[in-house]
Amino acid sequence: AQRVTQPEKLLSVFKGAPVELKCNYSYSGSPELFWYVQYSRQRLQLLLRHISRESIKGFTADLNKGETSFHLKKPFAQEEDSAMYYCAVVGTYKYIFGTGTRLKVLA
Amino acid sequence: DGGITQSPKYLFRKEGQNVTLSCEQNLNHDAMYWYRQDPGQGLRLIYYSQIVNDFQKGDIAEGYSVSREKKESFPLTVTSAQKNPTAFYLCATREGRPGANVLTFGAGSRLTVL
Repeated sequence: AQRVTQPEKLLSVFKGAPVELKCNYSYSGSPELFWYVQYSRQRLQLLLRHISRESIKGFTADLNKGETSFHLKKPFAQEEDSAMYYCAVVGTYKYIFGTGTRLKVLA
Repeated sequence: DGGITQSPKYLFRKEGQNVTLSCEQNLNHDAMYWYRQDPGQGLRLIYYSQIVNDFQKGDIAEGYSVSREKKESFPLTVTSAQKNPTAFYLCATREGRPGANVLTFGAGSRLTVL
């Protein structure tokens, strides 16, 4: 079955601490992986896509096909990183989202 | 607010009533999507449309209906058959060109059934 799993509903870290939001997927074929973010009172928006291989707002995510994972990482969390994060996989026109992880960065 | 307009932002409905949520876009994107967002359940696909006059059911289409008569518009009707309609509804669009897989989202509509 096609699925995206985000095991943590809530992740709390202190400012300056490293952050890792986990994402595992199950998808046949060659999917494309994304991270979307929803800040408070803002629209859901793209954060990262694996084919871009960029760092956005200090976040990176590496696709590990062997482990079928696409974990989101940031070495030093900032308070403005507090948001809801969704991992998503897309095949042909169809997107599958995980259940999301709420990140709280504590001062 | 640029690109995707969802209305109304908040809507209250009595049980047994149908309601229609509007989604309009000026991005010239070919594909449009409706998702339902519930706490702890993420985003679940209701319907999607890749081109005008064509649409497909998503994972939770029961109790919902859509139309795609114009490229710019993809309204969602929540019918009385939807057993648990109280939720936050998100409309999204995507360019039609191959490889353009980034979704652009609207601000959402919150439906509450009284």
